[in-house]
Amino acid sequence: AQSVTQLGSHVSVSEGALVLLRCNYSSSVPPYLFWYVQYPNQGLQLLLKYTTGATLVKGINGFEAEFKKSETSFHLTKPSAHMSDAAEYFCAVSRAGNTGKLIFGQGTTLQVKP
Amino acid sequence: GAVVSQHPSWVICKSGTSVKIECRSLDFQATTMFWYRQFPKQSLMLMATSNEGSKATYEQGVEKDKFLINHASLTLSTLTVTSAHPEDSSFYICSARTRTGTDSPLHFGNGTRLTVT
Repeated sequence: AQSVTQLGSHVSVSEGALVLLRCNYSSSVPPYLFWYVQYPNQGLQLLLKYTTGATLVKGINGFEAEFKKSETSFHLTKPSAHMSDAAEYFCAVSRAGNTGKLIFGQGTTLQVKP
Repeated sequence: GAVVSQHPSWVICKSGTSVKIECRSLDFQATTMFWYRQFPKQSLMLMATSNEGSKATYEQGVEKDKFLINHASLTLSTLTVTSAHPEDSSFYICSARTRTGTDSPLHFGNGTRLTVT
């Protein structure tokens, strides 16, 4: 079985500050891990994904995440927050070979203050 | 590339009526599409996997007679909410893979906001 826990349903940062959104997963098989962003009343946009290989993955809009197997974590970071980063962020896990069956975390709302 | 279009983007219907939501892959062929449901301020829950030319596979707890899925072509899947009730009000999102490989990433439509009065 697989599951995802996002720590903190709401994160608030100042513009220009570091963004850190936490995600821990549970998986009995090697996981594929994803971060998606959702703007109000829209679908999800893929920010980045980890499948195999390099554990530090870079995504769009300056975001990156590091897969840490020992900590079962896949935290999302961005060095400097922009106002346009304000959105809902979802961490998700799937099994290798079945990326369609995504298990999503509860989501984290990122607020960026001017 | 890899655009998934959903229609309508929002719909209001009366209790007891049926509503059809379309999901189209505009610039690629999608042998598999996925339907998710999202309640306000909550995460997405996979409802079913839609395979072109065959019956959909529903997740546990999802009523297949209530949520009818048809995947008649490689670019179109439809979700019909039959005899809708207020508790069916939700945000429905479809997604599709860009390639037939099961490791390819998903691309999501912009969702359909359903309100049942």
